[in-house]
Amino acid sequence: DTEVTQTPKHLVMGMTNKKSLKCEQHMGHRAMYWYKQKAKKPPELMFVYSYEKLSINESVPSRFSPECPNSSLLNLHLHALQPEDSALYLCASSQPTYYGYTFGSGTRLTVV
Amino acid sequence: TQLLEQSPQFLSIQEGENLTVYCNSSSVFSSLQWYRQEPGEGPVLLVTVVTGGEVKKLKRLTFQFGDARKDSSLHITAAQTGDTGLYLCAGGSGNNRKLIWGLGTSLAVNP
Repeated sequence: DTEVTQTPKHLVMGMTNKKSLKCEQHMGHRAMYWYKQKAKKPPELMFVYSYEKLSINESVPSRFSPECPNSSLLNLHLHALQPEDSALYLCASSQPTYYGYTFGSGTRLTVV
Repeated sequence: TQLLEQSPQFLSIQEGENLTVYCNSSSVFSSLQWYRQEPGEGPVLLVTVVTGGEVKKLKRLTFQFGDARKDSSLHITAAQTGDTGLYLCAGGSGNNRKLIWGLGTSLAVNP
């Protein structure tokens, strides 16, 4: 299995809603990432988990809350988002000793 | 602050033409990765180069890492409409957990 699977593919949520994005990989990768991408821009790093521990938080607002329940799963909990948070949210994983990420196909999030 | 300048930002060519995309920095990277992204999808890794002067070929795509590991290029020979997409370079240093991304090159190959 050489894929990173993200669900849901599309999500529309109100500013008072609570929702979660899910990411799963079975490649044995021990680093997992959340990225945010706006149209025609490069991905922006949000969080990095290394060996299931949060190692990088790029000063992301607390309305985004990551969780890594085990080495294969990564969640992003969303609460009280703003319309400007609408974007493509990408999950990625990598081997500790390999230079290159495997990305999922993303969740297109719209906040209304 | 590390920066990666990617050029050109936009490129529209006819099928069969050749093209080159550049990524330049004043910083040294331990690796340089190239990705291709289609609308609504995640980036797909094309290649990773780690050795100064390294050249890698992937069918019609040729990737080069500069001798000083500060720059890289992607050359496409005889472009096809299926090459259309956003090409992103990303530089890694240290443990590569935090990549530095170029702004991307949006390529349109017209039939």
